Amino acid sequence: DARVTQTPRHKVTEMGQEVTMRCQPILGHNTVFWYRQTMMQGLELLAYFRNRAPLDDSGMPKDRFSAEMPDATLATLKIQPSEPRDSAVYFCASGPHGGSPQETQYFGPGTRLLVL
Amino acid sequence: SQQGEEDPQALSIQEGENATMNCSYKTSINNLQWYRQNSGRGLVHLILIRSNEREKHSGRLRVTLDTSKKSSSLLITASRAADTASYFCALARGTSYGKLTFGQGTILTVHP
Repeated sequence: DARVTQTPRHKVTEMGQEVTMRCQPILGHNTVFWYRQTMMQGLELLAYFRNRAPLDDSGMPKDRFSAEMPDATLATLKIQPSEPRDSAVYFCASGPHGGSPQETQYFGPGTRLLVL
Repeated sequence: SQQGEEDPQALSIQEGENATMNCSYKTSINNLQWYRQNSGRGLVHLILIRSNEREKHSGRLRVTLDTSKKSSSLLITASRAADTASYFCALARGTSYGKLTFGQGTILTVHP
């Protein structure tokens, strides 16, 4: 059955290291969303894409975060350099409706990131 | 705030009881969606209710929307231990291009 996949599922790294998280959206979905979830802030939207073009990345710290979709089957979220405050669960979600207001989102299992 | 405010923050009930969660918001919406998140997992879409709808059902779920009061409720009837999860409301606005703003969630615990 179709699912959003994310790799890695867990990542422990040291402060200052680069972190790359990958997401494979459901085939045929043309919107992709990146979220960060923490106990304090809840679920925050970092960036999203429609047809591989970035629509909004205003939720993302620009100095260290970058998000791309090199092709329709891969979305990446990079943090460079990573900091302890980046520790969180990062979710990717995809949607089938091209960004219509009735878009429903299908979430991946998340990448649990710990920056020491 | 542009996100939904959920109430209660936590709810503990016995199996077989009904669970009601509420979501209030401040700005106009195109639709409101409810999602469930089991511990350690991603969110799963439950139901979408459009701004021109007042009530919607899906299995044991009943969602209501009152746009005059800017509030929604999610009712789970005859709850089961497997319903234990966090429940989030998410707001969609007309020009949001699919962007959703999630509330902080209600943690539901159903005791067997």
